[in-house]
Amino acid sequence: GAVVSQHPSWVICKSGTSVKIECRSLDFQATTMFWYRQFPKQSLMLMATSNEGSKATYEQGVEKDKFLINHASLTLSTLTVTSAHPEDSSFYICSASPSGTNYGYTFGSGTRLTVV
Amino acid sequence: ELKVEQNPLFLSMQEGKNYTIYCNYSTTSDRLYWYRQDPGKSLESLFVLLSNGAVKQEGRLMASLDTKARLSTLHITAAVHDLSATYFCAVTSGTYKYIFGTGTRLKVLA
Repeated sequence: GAVVSQHPSWVICKSGTSVKIECRSLDFQATTMFWYRQFPKQSLMLMATSNEGSKATYEQGVEKDKFLINHASLTLSTLTVTSAHPEDSSFYICSASPSGTNYGYTFGSGTRLTVV
Repeated sequence: ELKVEQNPLFLSMQEGKNYTIYCNYSTTSDRLYWYRQDPGKSLESLFVLLSNGAVKQEGRLMASLDTKARLSTLHITAAVHDLSATYFCAVTSGTYKYIFGTGTRLKVLA
């Protein structure tokens, strides 16, 4: 149980375009999901907390207008990178957990974004 | 601000040897997690440690938690090549936000 699906696995886009990444909880409902960013050979940095039915909470230094998060249902959160630039190239990972468990969060498979 | 540090950052070891990875955190924590990450992949959950003195073992890996010292260890016994990966600890404190450690890149040499 507790499977999180992330799509796409990788994407290449041109500078100035927008890219949407989906994160789905397949066998449970998630009122909260998290979005992380990981640069090569570095740790994961929390970008934002996605809250179902309300605005996301962004970490300090993360541009909310650039990284749009929508959590319209209990099983889906999306991250849209708007007007992407090469410096946005990174590995993006989402996570979620069934509420009331001690299992910790399950992570999606990640999305490798390359902006050219 | 909760900070999580791991050491060493890099570890190259021979097959069959034992070694320990350390994870220190700066403030009181609810839970501590260990994850494995293979190159280009996402995170695989290894252990969840919930209380002081907790010890969990899976195969050649054993994790422990000392909440008073704010320290967790991941011990590798008789390392094999398949254990080569990056290992992260992560901590939560009062919320469900994870704060990740710096990661330890392990390379097991045949």
